[in-house]
Amino acid sequence: AQSVTQLDSQVPVFEEAPVELRCNYSSSVSVYLFWYVQYPNQGLQLLLKYLSGSTLVKGINGFEAEFNKSQTSFHLRKPSVHISDTAEYFCAVSNPSGNTPLVFGKGTRLSVIA
Amino acid sequence: DGGITQSPKYLFRKEGQNVTLSCEQNLNHDAMYWYRQDPGQGLRLIYYSQIVNDFQKGDIAEGYSVSREKKESFPLTVTSAQKNPTAFYLCASSIPRTGNTIYFGEGSWLTVV
Repeated sequence: AQSVTQLDSQVPVFEEAPVELRCNYSSSVSVYLFWYVQYPNQGLQLLLKYLSGSTLVKGINGFEAEFNKSQTSFHLRKPSVHISDTAEYFCAVSNPSGNTPLVFGKGTRLSVIA
Repeated sequence: DGGITQSPKYLFRKEGQNVTLSCEQNLNHDAMYWYRQDPGQGLRLIYYSQIVNDFQKGDIAEGYSVSREKKESFPLTVTSAQKNPTAFYLCASSIPRTGNTIYFGEGSWLTVV
């Protein structure tokens, strides 16, 4: 079975500072990894995904994530955050067969402070 | 525009009543999903369907039922057997075997009064 652990439930950060949201996964097989963002009272929007190839993945809104197989991690980073980045961020994992639904972490609430 | 439409956005239900949440997609996706979201618990899978006329239970299926009579539609019924139904419900869809990237609707708030 696969699982995802998001190590921080809340991350406060000042505007224009860098941020890293941490995600670790557990799986006995190869994986696909995803980050989604949820703004208040809305559905989830895909930020980026790792399927194969380069371990550094770039997404929308200036976010990027790095797949580290040895550490089973997929941390999300942004060099300079904006107030508009305040949202909840979810890490998710699936297996390449595509036959099972994504498994989500419990989310990290990013609060950007002016 | 293509997308996933959930309705209603807000719904109030009296205890003991069944209620059905609608989910329609025009993305031509094969698979559809229902997730429940509670504060601090992330997303939990209720039911999913990978093909018409077939569906599987997720982690928290008790007290819920679904149908998949058409590719575009995957309604969720919250029955009176669901002990704590107040939550935010998210419908999603995907094309399996393409990284299984899933796309979400805007969600429906259900409150039991």
